Amino acid sequence: QVQLQQWDAGLLSPSETLSLTCAVSGGSLIGYYWSWIRQPPGRGLEWIGEINHSGNTNYNPSLKSRVTISADTSKNQFSLKLRSVTGADTAVYYCARAQNLGGRSNFYSDYWGQGTLATVSS
Amino acid sequence: DIQMTQSPSSLSASVGDRVTITCRASQSISTFLNWYQQKPGKAPNLLIYASSVSRSGVPSRFSGGGSGTDFTLTISSLQPEDFATYYCQQTYSSFRTFGQGTKVEIK
Repeated sequence: QVQLQQWDAGLLSPSETLSLTCAVSGGSLIGYYWSWIRQPPGRGLEWIGEINHSGNTNYNPSLKSRVTISADTSKNQFSLKLRSVTGADTAVYYCARAQNLGGRSNFYSDYWGQGTLATVSS
Repeated sequence: DIQMTQSPSSLSASVGDRVTITCRASQSISTFLNWYQQKPGKAPNLLIYASSVSRSGVPSRFSGGGSGTDFTLTISSLQPEDFATYYCQQTYSSFRTFGQGTKVEIK
């Protein structure tokens, strides 16, 4: 059974960098895309970006200038860095596995981490 | 960017009701459309992918359909455990956007 484990993000001050890691167990990074999605309190889901094991990435254009997603196949984990955070970045952050059925568009997220709350406050 | 608009934003229904949620894309996305269910405090859970394919283990009362710009998620007979928020997501674009969600509440 594939499991995605996230660690606490905690409290950040404005302008700091949010760093999150998602550890994958029960499966390999290879052959999948790995995503980050966030959800501000009481609001909907926002897709942040994704990476595959080869390091190919796609990002939300509105966050692209501040976001880096990386993957470490040796540790079977992937990470998110979001720079220069503000209160608008306060959210629960989820990692997820994106299954590709073929082609550049046929994806779905079948396994998710438990989510971690990142709070940005001075 | 492809905008995804769900309707309604919320609805009240009774156990046993048939419920339909609509998701409209701002441009054609073929059938690259997924549906997720989210309960409070929990991660989203995949229900339907590729517009109409049910994930293994999802109850048969959930069905999806549509292509191009208009899609539906139907719950044929609402059960107590179905009260949740539902999200559509397009994956046609490499910027994979979600709808704003539809909250299904108990009448």
